[in-house]
Amino acid sequence: DAGITQSPRHKVTETGTPVTLRCHQTENHRYMYWYRQDPGHGLRLIHYSYGVKDTDKGEVSDGYSVSRSKTEDFLLTLESATSSQTSVYFCAISVSNYEQYFGPGTRLTVT
Amino acid sequence: EDKVVQSPLSLVVHEGDTVTLNCSYEVTNFRSLLWYKQEKKAPTFLFMLTSSGIEKKSGRLSSILDKKELFSILNITATQTGDSAIYLCAVQGNAGKSTFGDGTTLTVKP
Repeated sequence: DAGITQSPRHKVTETGTPVTLRCHQTENHRYMYWYRQDPGHGLRLIHYSYGVKDTDKGEVSDGYSVSRSKTEDFLLTLESATSSQTSVYFCAISVSNYEQYFGPGTRLTVT
Repeated sequence: EDKVVQSPLSLVVHEGDTVTLNCSYEVTNFRSLLWYKQEKKAPTFLFMLTSSGIEKKSGRLSSILDKKELFSILNITATQTGDSAIYLCAVQGNAGKSTFGDGTTLTVKP
């Protein structure tokens, strides 16, 4: 257990509404990541952070924004949710040598 | 564009069989290759490989990397039903950014 929690764990929302997912870690790791996972696919990187206020885009960043105002929290925001953003979202941290450990995931459904 | 391809996509075996899962990659900045196991929850870390030809081993699981041919294999010997899972391969570049393959779904029947 790498001390990673995600909230909420499940969410159903309507198209066009804003949604924020939270990732919280307890061990002050510098690097944090947001991935999405869709059926039959591996994980795809949305955004990542390499420190407070330092973030960068991943391969599927369109429609998502992130913020990191404290080391322990990394927020993922869908400004206007669409049905294509229905997915399972995983947060991860990197420990030494960049091994990544994942949070429990958030299942998001956009209706 | 970085690319990781896993094969086969799915595999059904019986307990006691040995399986080999494949991962090939094309990435611009290679730092390491990682294997994860995913049951009905978050992926869990298995191995990290950085050097060619050095086998990593944990119990019945082992893995090796070939940086010249750009692939890795994950072997599982004497499979058990508890090995049923999706096995994910990921290649890491700078800042720990990872590109994942689509995974191999392994089903082990009693």
